[in-house]
Amino acid sequence: KQEVTQIPAALSVPEGENLVLNCSFTDSAIYNLQWFRQDPGKGLTSLLLIQSSQREQTSGRLNASLDKSSGRSTLYIAASQPGDSATYLCAVRPEVSGNQFYFGTGTSLTVIP
Amino acid sequence: EAQVTQNPRYLITVTGKKLTVTCSQNMNHEYMSWYRQDPGLGLRQIYYSMNVEVTDKGDVPEGYKVSRKEKRNFPLILESPSPNQTSLYFCASRGYRSHEQYFGPGTRLTVT
Repeated sequence: KQEVTQIPAALSVPEGENLVLNCSFTDSAIYNLQWFRQDPGKGLTSLLLIQSSQREQTSGRLNASLDKSSGRSTLYIAASQPGDSATYLCAVRPEVSGNQFYFGTGTSLTVIP
Repeated sequence: EAQVTQNPRYLITVTGKKLTVTCSQNMNHEYMSWYRQDPGLGLRQIYYSMNVEVTDKGDVPEGYKVSRKEKRNFPLILESPSPNQTSLYFCASRGYRSHEQYFGPGTRLTVT
């Protein structure tokens, strides 16, 4: 069974700093990996999706990379802002049971003004 | 506006009293899913449905039922809720050819 880990569980950075969030998964046979943002009391908002054949995806200040063979993905946030404060989750969709998704426990990010 | 809606958003109930959490999407998505989110455990998939009348178990289906009689709706049923089902529940949908999941706002359930 796929296990997804996100380290660190919490991160606090000053405004303007660049930062990297990590996601690791145990089974490299994945169809895709998706990064989400979760604000308190709200649902999940999709940030970036990387197909297994891709190495990275970019959206604005966000860049997500995927190294499938080593079971790792990173989410890079450039020039962080207080509005980036949220919990960031990664989820993998396995090749075999393609309709099941496995989530990490998330990294809680606080950007200090 | 494309969205997934859930009702109710908050629910406090007692052990054994049957309840239903509704989920509806307006994107004509084939795939719908239910998750529960617990501290330290992340989101875990309860059930999913690939289309009308097609459902399958996720990782934690015990104590839950679902039905998919219409494409837009995917209700989650707790026949006899227990305190260990106290959690934050999310419904999600995805189109057949789309890879992105869209999530509802969540339902916070407390079973006393």
